[in-house]
Amino acid sequence: DAGVIQSPRHEVTEMGQEVTLRCKPISGHNSLFWYRQTMMRGLELLIYFNNNVPIDDSGMPEDRFSAKMPNASFSTLKIQPSEPRDSAVYFCASTRTGGRYEQYFGPGTRLTVT
Amino acid sequence: DQQVKQNSPSLSVQEGRISILNCDYTNSMFDYFLWYKKYPAEGPTFLISISSIKDKNEDGRFTVFLNKSAKHLSLHIVPSQPGDSAVYFCAASPNTSGTYKYIFGTGTRLKVLA
Repeated sequence: DAGVIQSPRHEVTEMGQEVTLRCKPISGHNSLFWYRQTMMRGLELLIYFNNNVPIDDSGMPEDRFSAKMPNASFSTLKIQPSEPRDSAVYFCASTRTGGRYEQYFGPGTRLTVT
Repeated sequence: DQQVKQNSPSLSVQEGRISILNCDYTNSMFDYFLWYKKYPAEGPTFLISISSIKDKNEDGRFTVFLNKSAKHLSLHIVPSQPGDSAVYFCAASPNTSGTYKYIFGTGTRLKVLA
């Protein structure tokens, strides 16, 4: 089975540009999570969805960040406008709903904003 | 405010010896804990978990210990192998009905020396 798929794997953009990160969860998983990894804060939860509905977006740093999940097999995380401090590795993870199941992570997108 | 803390950013251990990775948490609502391992350029992968009704869980070379009164958990790897060299994250989940999010620590980089 394919794991969580993220694209692109690397993104380099200039400050002020819009950035869109994409995620395809594992088929059959109903919960999807977006994380950001930095040296200082480790893995920060940005937002998570259950059955395509955003449940908790308290980790989204600013209004510049938005996330959508239009269907069970696709989610996007958008940053507009991007800033250098957004540079980090962004991970998407998915899991089954209804219990304490481990999350399966994608390979991440390394974002560099210059 | 870091609710899950891994105070040792790095740890070096000789091959064959025991590796002990520590994690502290502040929120008494946390009742389920996990450890993840992360290799460079890959997403974290699930290693082992423990519920607050237990104080120990073992899986092969990996054992997680939970001390609820001290709000402390540790991961023991014995014997350590060079392939165990990775970043280890602990994560905690609150006992809140209907939400299954995990709060991650900042990670500890383990290096096992051959």
